[in-house]
Amino acid sequence: DQQVKQNSPSLSVQEGRISILNCDYTNSMFDYFLWYKKYPAEGPTFLISISSIKDKNEDGRFTVFLNKSAKHLSLHIVPSQPGDSAVYFCAASVYNTDKLIFGTGTRLQVFP
Amino acid sequence: DVKVTQSSRYLVKRTGEKVFLECVQDMDHENMFWYRQDPGLGLRLIYFSYDVKMKEKGDIPEGYSVSREKKERFSLILESASTNQTSMYLCASADGGEKLFFGSGTQLSVL
Repeated sequence: DQQVKQNSPSLSVQEGRISILNCDYTNSMFDYFLWYKKYPAEGPTFLISISSIKDKNEDGRFTVFLNKSAKHLSLHIVPSQPGDSAVYFCAASVYNTDKLIFGTGTRLQVFP
Repeated sequence: DVKVTQSSRYLVKRTGEKVFLECVQDMDHENMFWYRQDPGLGLRLIYFSYDVKMKEKGDIPEGYSVSREKKERFSLILESASTNQTSMYLCASADGGEKLFFGSGTQLSVL
């Protein structure tokens, strides 16, 4: 039973355009959400996070949006750059636990 | 920078062998985790540990055990390797929050 779902296994975007990666979850007890980026032959690295008390968090070119009623979050990358090409995982946790549940990942390719 | 080091990048083992995957972190983090990554399944939590000699089962602990004798070291043990344990194994540590720091991974092939 996949509690965190990324329904798009891959996404291809032109350099300079917006990349939108989506994530859905089923557990209403999740209250903290994170995005990780993974390059080949490397471990995932933390990108950005959002608490359930917010609906938006921004860090440079990266913005995460949270829609609690829809149990949906998205990551926007503007403008997209070739170096953003990687696999992106969303993850969720319940308050005061350190256990993260990860999604299945979306492979983003940014082409020139 | 936090460094999480996994002892092997690639391992090839035979069915039935006992396999040890080692992980060391250098930031005095309390929490350590073992995940496996499989295509189409994402990262799945095998075991985690909040402290020395403490361990908790994750979502898929069957066929695995762990050892944490020292704070900086967290070992994953496959008691009797099987082909369905062929996977990328990722170790991570955290200082009590949700932000995990991952190692580079060990690609294990069980033949």
